[in-house]
Amino acid sequence: DARVTQTPRHKVTEMGQEVTMRCQPILGHNTVFWYRQTMMQGLELLAYFRNRAPLDDSGMPKDRFSAEMPDATLATLKIQPSEPRDSAVYFCASSSVVDQETQYFGPGTRLLVL
Amino acid sequence: AQTVTQSQPEMSVQEAETVTLSCTYDTSESDYYLFWYKQPPSRQMILVIRQEAYKQQNATENRFSVNFQKAAKSFSLKISDSQLGDAAMYFCAYSRLVSFTGTASKLTFGTGTRLQVTL
Repeated sequence: DARVTQTPRHKVTEMGQEVTMRCQPILGHNTVFWYRQTMMQGLELLAYFRNRAPLDDSGMPKDRFSAEMPDATLATLKIQPSEPRDSAVYFCASSSVVDQETQYFGPGTRLLVL
Repeated sequence: AQTVTQSQPEMSVQEAETVTLSCTYDTSESDYYLFWYKQPPSRQMILVIRQEAYKQQNATENRFSVNFQKAAKSFSLKISDSQLGDAAMYFCAYSRLVSFTGTASKLTFGTGTRLQVTL
């Protein structure tokens, strides 16, 4: 059963701490997306990668957020330093070469910054 | 820019009954994809159904079907024989046609419709 996996599922941290979220896309998928979901803003696209290269990260606050894809099976999203306004659910999604339009989502990381 | 509108913040349906969730969108493109995603309380985003704009036939997946009206830019989701497990937020989403173009799709989401299923 091919799925996108994300770790951790839940994270509680204090303001100023570094947070790292990890995503394993579906095997063979070459495009990875990071979304953030909040009550106020809904679902926002933060960044996405194609074949491990960043295509667009214009939705991401550059001063504290960074996204990388060190290999084809791992994408990371880091927040340093974290702030209470970063509290949200962060989703990773992936899509395949032959069906770029259809994105499959991971279970999300629920982040709470105190 | 594309926009997706879900005008029903909340809907309710009785178990075993049928419910239709509405979605309209705005785009100047002729080729695109439309999706319905389900988000239960677990927060997982689950793909329910998708429709390619070039296909005239409405997509169906078991108890889920869509009514795609391209000229009207309307894309509603019908859930038949509703079950308690169908209770969730439902998001309508749009994607440009990008396969084999070298670019990636950006999903544009509506604001969601919360579906309650009652006994």
